[in-house]
Amino acid sequence: GAVVSQHPSWVICKSGTSVKIECRSLDFQATTMFWYRQFPKQSLMLMATSNEGSKATYEQGVEKDKFLINHASLTLSTLTVTSAHPEDSSFYICSARDPGTSDDTDTQYFGPGTRLTVL
Amino acid sequence: QKEVEQDPGPLSVPEGAIVSLNCTYSNSAFQYFMWYRQYSRKGPELLMYTYSSGNKEDGRFTAQVDKSSKYISLFIRDSQPSDSATYLCAMRLGGGYNKLIFGAGTRLAVHP
Repeated sequence: GAVVSQHPSWVICKSGTSVKIECRSLDFQATTMFWYRQFPKQSLMLMATSNEGSKATYEQGVEKDKFLINHASLTLSTLTVTSAHPEDSSFYICSARDPGTSDDTDTQYFGPGTRLTVL
Repeated sequence: QKEVEQDPGPLSVPEGAIVSLNCTYSNSAFQYFMWYRQYSRKGPELLMYTYSSGNKEDGRFTAQVDKSSKYISLFIRDSQPSDSATYLCAMRLGGGYNKLIFGAGTRLAVHP
């Protein structure tokens, strides 16, 4: 299957600082990438959909000014958590959409996740 | 009512057992169905992808879709301790609509 990488795999920061997380599709071009947040023992919560070259679409309840998303190329999307606070501590996972050749082969592949701890 | 219902478990089975994991859904417009495996502190890994009613087999894994009942299953044969993980079902609409709707995930423990 396709490979998606995330960097960093974990980060610890002080309250009030900003943290940038990178998501890369390594062997395919991803016109669409997704950012999820996952709390312990819970399922994935979609935060936003990122389309290359356009503004991200945020899910209801997600602050766009706090979680800045940039999808500048077909293989890279970044999530910046601005002015992070302890309640932003979570596991952040990206996925990249491989559209394949038809709707029947349109698949999402996930990155390994980034664990953010805000002190 | 959630769009996708999945028993969170935990499910504990002995090594070698056949495991059955299930999800039900309410939106009959879902056309594509996936099973992801997620190990602790890792991202989900795509296991099975189906888009029609019936069975799809890959090694020890079989995915089953029954659109008439709005019910999907994942069977694991000859389960191994390395299968211990959380299994997430996911589904989406067709027509280029690519947002995934996830179940809660079922935690599976296979003990030697």
